[in-house]
Amino acid sequence: GAVVSQHPSWVICKSGTSVKIECRSLDFQATTMFWYRQFPKQSLMLMATSNEGSKATYEQGVEKDKFLINHASLTLSTLTVTSAHPEDSSFYICSPFEVAKNNEQFFGPGTRLTVL
Amino acid sequence: GENVEQHPSTLSVQEGDSAVIKCTYSDSASNYFPWYKQELGKGPQLIIDIRSNVGEKKDQRIAVTLNKTAKHFSLHITETQPEDSAVYFCAAKKGSGGSNYKLTFGKGTLLTVNP
Repeated sequence: GAVVSQHPSWVICKSGTSVKIECRSLDFQATTMFWYRQFPKQSLMLMATSNEGSKATYEQGVEKDKFLINHASLTLSTLTVTSAHPEDSSFYICSPFEVAKNNEQFFGPGTRLTVL
Repeated sequence: GENVEQHPSTLSVQEGDSAVIKCTYSDSASNYFPWYKQELGKGPQLIIDIRSNVGEKKDQRIAVTLNKTAKHFSLHITETQPEDSAVYFCAAKKGSGGSNYKLTFGKGTLLTVNP
């Protein structure tokens, strides 16, 4: 397997504030980072894909100016939800990926964001 | 693009019974099929996967079968235990690796194992 951490595990914020979520791959170097969002009782929805040192590629319907992704190193990526609104409340999950891991894709423990 | 259908959406079994979850995919180019277990409030955990050059793979009580012709794959859990209760997701991906190919997930199956 792979060891992936996310911080914070949960956060509650006021509408209009920004929240930063960190994702770390602890035992391998992730050239690619996938960020997912999951609403209650639903499947995972891919938000964006980023490669280390490059700009992220966003899925259709995901606002790049609202969900800022930074993938500055092979072990750390951050997702910043800017000017959060209640509809941004969701479970955010990162998935670091490395080709050398035999195409296996592992996921972080997730961050529960609640916007009041 | 790829489309993955998963059935059933909910499954309730008695402890010790077997559970089977089925998925179909649409893109014949898909060649990697992982299964994930997600417990409440946690991230998905990879439990088993299969590649298109293999028809079956087993790991203790868990097995996965793949029928490339019919484009469907199944998860089999034998001797179920209460701790197997979770949401299970199937997924499909094409390509030998790299970020250009993304996982497409099924909608999930809520498995409940009753003691």
